[in-house]
Amino acid sequence: GENVEQHPSTLSVQEGDSAVIKCTYSDSASNYFPWYKQELGKRPQLIIDIRSNVGEKKDQRIAVTLNKTAKHFSLHITETQPEDSAVYFCAAVGHTGGFKTIFGAGTRLFVKA
Amino acid sequence: SQTIHQWPATLVQPVGSPLSLECTVEGTSNPNLYWYRQAAGRGLQLLFYSVGIGQISSEVPQNLSASRPQDRQFILSSKKLLLSDSGFYLCAWSIRGGGEKLFFGSGTQLSVL
Repeated sequence: GENVEQHPSTLSVQEGDSAVIKCTYSDSASNYFPWYKQELGKRPQLIIDIRSNVGEKKDQRIAVTLNKTAKHFSLHITETQPEDSAVYFCAAVGHTGGFKTIFGAGTRLFVKA
Repeated sequence: SQTIHQWPATLVQPVGSPLSLECTVEGTSNPNLYWYRQAAGRGLQLLFYSVGIGQISSEVPQNLSASRPQDRQFILSSKKLLLSDSGFYLCAWSIRGGGEKLFFGSGTQLSVL
């Protein structure tokens, strides 16, 4: 079945540094790749997404890149701040059977002040 | 605007007892509905999804079942809970027919003792 691998599982950076989280997916029919941020005890919320016809997308300090050939996509956070500390999930969505969103295992990001 | 309600927020149940978690969506029609489970410190596992009333797809064999008695109501049930059913349960919805973004409920923390 569909699978999304996410690395690293934990990432610790100094405030102001950059953070990069990488994911790979198995289903070549996936065409939408969202990223969700989950703060402790709260619901996941979408922070950025990218579609398969685009290679890169940026929103202020956050950017995503997609290599559809290699089935890789990444989240880049620049100038990290303590409030960026959270768990980040990548996901892949295909159109088979109701737009199932398959999540990676998550990356716990710690930003040290 | 659309809102999603999920209850209860916290639940402690003994092994072997039944379970019923409810989720309702307001402000939209014909949503796709989903139940996810998140074990402590782990990723989001898709349990069930529904594209319409009475239409339920199960993603993993388990001790749980789901029902959709009304368009915007999604219920997660169990006849007899197991210890392994403990976790954080999240209901989510997306727009039918092209909406891949997920909007999550606030979650239910279930502890089976």
